Amino acid sequence: QQQVKQSPQSLIVQKGGISIINCAYENTAFDYFPWYQQFPGKGPALLIAIRPDVSEKKEGRFTISFNKSAKQFSLHIMDSQPGDSATYFCAALFYNQGGKLIFGQGTELSVKP
Amino acid sequence: NAGVMQNPRHLVRRRGQEARLRCSPVKGHSHVYWYRQLPEEGLKFMVYLQKENIIDESGMPKERFSAEFPKEGPSILRIQQVVRGDSAAYFCASSPEGPSYNEQFFGPGTRLTVL
Repeated sequence: QQQVKQSPQSLIVQKGGISIINCAYENTAFDYFPWYQQFPGKGPALLIAIRPDVSEKKEGRFTISFNKSAKQFSLHIMDSQPGDSATYFCAALFYNQGGKLIFGQGTELSVKP
Repeated sequence: NAGVMQNPRHLVRRRGQEARLRCSPVKGHSHVYWYRQLPEEGLKFMVYLQKENIIDESGMPKERFSAEFPKEGPSILRIQQVVRGDSAAYFCASSPEGPSYNEQFFGPGTRLTVL
């Protein structure tokens, strides 16, 4: 019930294309959904986050779409660049309780020039 | 502003030895979290601490693992009698007080190798 399922496991996109990564959750008590970007040998870095009272949040080329009824959320990277090549993790949290992030399994994105 | 600092960055131990991992949170942050990342897997929560208190240790193995966050100094994750299965990257994250307290900022990790 506390799982977050992420797909695809790996993704190859051409430069300038749109990268889409999907996540699904089961526990409706989750109410904070961040996305993290991780480069090899580095720690995860917060990219963008959303709460379920909005259906979309955009920051630059990165957009989160949130579907509360379907319990799904996705990350869209517009105009993907080779520098975006990294592993992306979705996560979920109980906002008012602090504590642990529940992470998806990760998506390894490769943007080809 | 210095981010979350972890040391050592790489640690090699033989089976049966102790591993001690240190985490200095962002200055002013009083919440610390430890996560473990096994090869080819996502991050798994281990423990959540505030100064001098363990808030949630539901992800910690019952034996050999302990964590502390003293009033002064870094947070320590201690693994006694390490086994090969403990080989992983261990990440520390911190968050501030107040409305943004769920925004967790991660350190670069300590990569533990058990021979």
